[in-house]
This record gives sequence, structure tokens and C-alpha cells, in this order.
Amino acid sequence: DAGVIQSPRHEVTEMGQEVTLRCKPISGHNSLFWYRQTMMRGLELLIYFNNNVPIDDSGMPEDRFSAKMPNASFSTLKIQPSEPRDSAVYFCASLEGTEAFFGQGTRLTVV
Amino acid sequence: GENVEQHPSTLSVQEGDSAVIKCTYSDSASNYFPWYKQELGKRPQLIIDIRSNVGEKKDQRIAVTLNKTAKHFSLHITETQPEDSAVYFCAAIISYNTDKLIFGTGTRLQVFP
Repeated sequence: DAGVIQSPRHEVTEMGQEVTLRCKPISGHNSLFWYRQTMMRGLELLIYFNNNVPIDDSGMPEDRFSAKMPNASFSTLKIQPSEPRDSAVYFCASLEGTEAFFGQGTRLTVV
Repeated sequence: GENVEQHPSTLSVQEGDSAVIKCTYSDSASNYFPWYKQELGKRPQLIIDIRSNVGEKKDQRIAVTLNKTAKHFSLHITETQPEDSAVYFCAAIISYNTDKLIFGTGTRLQVFP
């Protein structure tokens, strides 16, 4: 297995634009997590899914953020409209038992 | 609420010295406590973990301790080496019907030769 795959690796966009981040979890992993990493806040949990169902989205900062998991092999995190303070590294991780496997992350820069 | 606090945020040690990172958690439903290491520009990776029914676990130069009563857990690295330099995250899995994995804010460890 290639591991958790995220795309794009880097995204630079202008304020106000829509941004979509993508994640392919490891096959067979039932839970998928989206995190945002910043220097100040570390790894913040945004939302997580279990068996494709959103379980807890209390970490989603605002209505501008939304996430979907239409099937077991794909999830998206969308920001619309994007703002400069959304600049961060966004990680997706899938869980096998108790171990989380992270994707390589998407470095988002909103200018 | 569900929260994991971690300190210090930065830690500098001389090669060969020990390093200790401490975390506290708030939710009593937390039953599993992993530690992740993130090297510069890379993804976090699991290095060691401890379950709530265990007080201490050791793996070569790293050890973790858990005090369930106080809701504290710690990472100890002995005989530090420059390659130990990284950001370390403590975490907790909170189990209700599903497992929720939340992280502390991270500790940037620098080991000077």
C-alpha cells in the first residue's frame, strides 16, 4: 500500500478563492481524520469520519470549512472563501487499530 | 471538554543528556496515549504508546509513564542524540462509540552536539 495520499502537496491561492484538499486513506482503515498544523496550535483536529460518516466536526473553525467522505477511499476538505489566516499545513490521517498513519500534508498559503 | 496540554513548547539539551516532555489530558474516557515524532518537513510518525492499564513502558532509549489518577503522562528520552531533534506530539484516544484521536500542541526538541 502506498500509504495515505494527499493532494496537492502545495497550494498557493488568493484570498477569497475556493480551495479543495484531497485525501486517499489506506485501504481497510475505517477512521479518517483531518488536522491543521500551525506553530501556535500544533495539530488541531478539524473533523473525523468513521465508516465514511462524519462523527465530530466540532473542530471545524467556521462555516467556510466543509469536509466530505463520499466513499471509503476518498475525502475532501474544502475552504470557501479562503482567508490568509487559513494558511497552514493540513494533514489527513487514517487509523488502523490505535495507530494513525499520516499523509504527507498539504501546505496551504493564502495570499 | 476534551483537551491535551503539552509542555514545554521548546526544549534544548546537550547530546547525552535526558529530555522529558509532559502532557495532561482532561477526558476520563481517554484510554490510549501515543507519542508521535515529526522531523522537519515530514509527517508525524508513531514512536511509542501506552495504554491506560499500564503505568510505564520502555523501548530502548525512550520510555513513557502514565498516572491515570492525575491524568498525566510523560515521554522520557535518555542519552539524547542529534537525530532525536524533532517536534514531539503527545496524543490521547478518547473512546466512546468511535475512537477520537487528539493531539497536544507539540514540543520542539533540539539536541546540541
